[in-house]
Amino acid sequence: KQEVTQIPAALSVPEGENLVLNCSFTDSAIYNLQWFRQDPGKGLTSLLLIQSSQREQTSGRLNASLDKSSGRSTLYIAASQPGDSATYLCAVKDYGGSQGNLIFGKGTKLSVKP
Amino acid sequence: DAMVIQNPRYQVTQFGKPVTLSCSQTLNHNVMYWYQQKSSQAPKLLFHYYDKDFNNEADTPDNFQSRRPNTSFCFLDIRSPGLGDAAMYLCATSRDLGGAERQPQHFGDGTRLSIL
Repeated sequence: KQEVTQIPAALSVPEGENLVLNCSFTDSAIYNLQWFRQDPGKGLTSLLLIQSSQREQTSGRLNASLDKSSGRSTLYIAASQPGDSATYLCAVKDYGGSQGNLIFGKGTKLSVKP
Repeated sequence: DAMVIQNPRYQVTQFGKPVTLSCSQTLNHNVMYWYQQKSSQAPKLLFHYYDKDFNNEADTPDNFQSRRPNTSFCFLDIRSPGLGDAAMYLCATSRDLGGAERQPQHFGDGTRLSIL
């Protein structure tokens, strides 16, 4: 059974720092991995999606990498800003279910201090 | 501009009183999903529709049902809500092209359900 783990559960950094969020998964048979942002009391905003055949994706100050064989992904945030404060969730689309299930980690709660 | 719209944003119901949450989409995606997210927990898939085909997760309680009358709309019905059903309910959509790649899921803002 696929399990997704995110470490750390919470992270506090000063504004301007570069930071890395980690995600690991137990079964490498995945279609893709998706990183989301969730603000308090809100839904999920998709940040980046990496297909299983890809190694990384970039969007602005965000860079996500995928090492399928080791079951790891990282989300790199450059020059962090207070507006980046949110919970970041990673999810893998694995081969379970008719369309592939999206299995989520519990998230990393990021706080960027001005 | 909202592409996946959930109504209402907040819903309060009484213990045991049926409640319906709604989701609509303007993306014309063929797959729609319902997730349950409890506080500080990961979202958990309840079921999804692939076109008109309903797919229930094995551990989704019978208390939860869904309807999809057309491509744009999908409803989550909770027949007899219990205190443990208080959660954020998230609707998502995706376009499945049938190939090896899977397209991203797009989420609504969720409906927070409280049970009195």
